[in-house]
Amino acid sequence: DAKTTQPNSMESNEEEPVHLPCNHSTISGTDYIHWYRQLPSQGPEYVIHGLTSNVNNRMASLAIAEDRKSSTLILHRATLRDAAVYYCILRDVATSYDKVIFGPGTSLSVIP
Amino acid sequence: EAGVAQSPRYKIIEKRQSVAFWCNPISGHATLYWYQQILGQGPKLLIQFQNNGVVDDSQLPKDRFSAERLKGVDSTLKIQPAKLEDSAVYLCASSGQGAAKNIQYFGAGTRLSVL
Repeated sequence: DAKTTQPNSMESNEEEPVHLPCNHSTISGTDYIHWYRQLPSQGPEYVIHGLTSNVNNRMASLAIAEDRKSSTLILHRATLRDAAVYYCILRDVATSYDKVIFGPGTSLSVIP
Repeated sequence: EAGVAQSPRYKIIEKRQSVAFWCNPISGHATLYWYQQILGQGPKLLIQFQNNGVVDDSQLPKDRFSAERLKGVDSTLKIQPAKLEDSAVYLCASSGQGAAKNIQYFGAGTRLSVL
């Protein structure tokens, strides 16, 4: 079973900010929070990741709760190209390898 | 930098036939993953290689699925014989080492239809 839970779907208006939530109540101290997105007919692509502090990159921002049991992916200005399925997964960097488990993700629709 | 290459993009076969998929990871990436993605679901890890050794194949149906990564570079995934429930997109991903070792780069996938 996935170690994260996300809403099945969300809607956003174009050019407005989008906040995509993820719960990971059983997160361990060595788990990084990763976000990927999958555009139609493509493989998933990496978006952002973080451990404890909030992170920003050219694609998005990641806000991590102080207790690390939840996080939020923030798209500052949604465009039609952001319509995709967004996956939140945990990666344990303390092991030589870790089992990667994707849940069903959140399907984001962007309304023009 | 070239991405993860997969072929073919599409494949249609009848049940009980055999099929093979090919993946060429990003140059220098030691870890290679094969995923199965059924419509409406997230990707499910089938097998993970570290160089040419298997580190996780716990979800690979070994009675019909096999995978190899000779010389630690490209990889093939085979299904023999195929069943209707094998209809899915098969995704290959690779990751490197160091600080970004857990970031996976995915190919576009092979869409398999079993009739």
